[in-house]
Amino acid sequence: QVQLQEAGPGLVKPSETLSLICTVSGGSVSSGPYYWTWIRQPPGKGLEWIGYVYRTGSTNYNSSLESRVTISLDTSKNQFSLNLRSMTAADTAVYYCARDPDGGTFDFWGQGVLVTVSS
Amino acid sequence: DVVLTQSPLSLPVTLGQAASISCRCSQSLVNSDGNTYLNWFQQRPGHSPRRLISQVSNRDSGVPDRISGSGSGTDFTLKISRVEAEDVGVYYCMQGTHWPPTFGQGTKLEIK
Repeated sequence: QVQLQEAGPGLVKPSETLSLICTVSGGSVSSGPYYWTWIRQPPGKGLEWIGYVYRTGSTNYNSSLESRVTISLDTSKNQFSLNLRSMTAADTAVYYCARDPDGGTFDFWGQGVLVTVSS
Repeated sequence: DVVLTQSPLSLPVTLGQAASISCRCSQSLVNSDGNTYLNWFQQRPGHSPRRLISQVSNRDSGVPDRISGSGSGTDFTLKISRVEAEDVGVYYCMQGTHWPPTFGQGTKLEIK
């Protein structure tokens, strides 16, 4: 059974960069046709796809965030990460990592981490 | 982006009664490979989303058979034949056919 676990700061100051890590267990980030994905959910609101990194290192981002986001893979640690620059209050959300097995769905999710942007 | 419109947004249901959620899409979700990437997720209070249904009607392991998905093209439905207490939560449809993947606004199911 694949498991994903997010880690990172719960509080980020405005204009700073958010860095989150997702550790994968029960499977390898460097095998299979999987897209390792970040999704976020502002408090009390719906879900927004941020982007993914494929096992080859190729990436794809939501155009609404593309100028500020980087997702990368660390195969030695079986992790992938999210960097989101120039954070504002609008970026306050629960951030989830997830696995996409075929480019069209999400079969495993992490438990999520709440990130608050505040000075 | 493809817009998914769910209805109703709030769904009070009596235990043991049936429930139905509609998801209407701004474009057909039939992919060039012939598949339709329409999924349903359940988010229980305080938990991350859990996939229930993929490709319109494929139930995930452990999902009871009283939960079913149907539809085609732009109109899709999630049905729960006999609502139980464990079904309380928010249900989201999500499409993976068109980039970027998008979600519906969510339907909150509660027990009357």
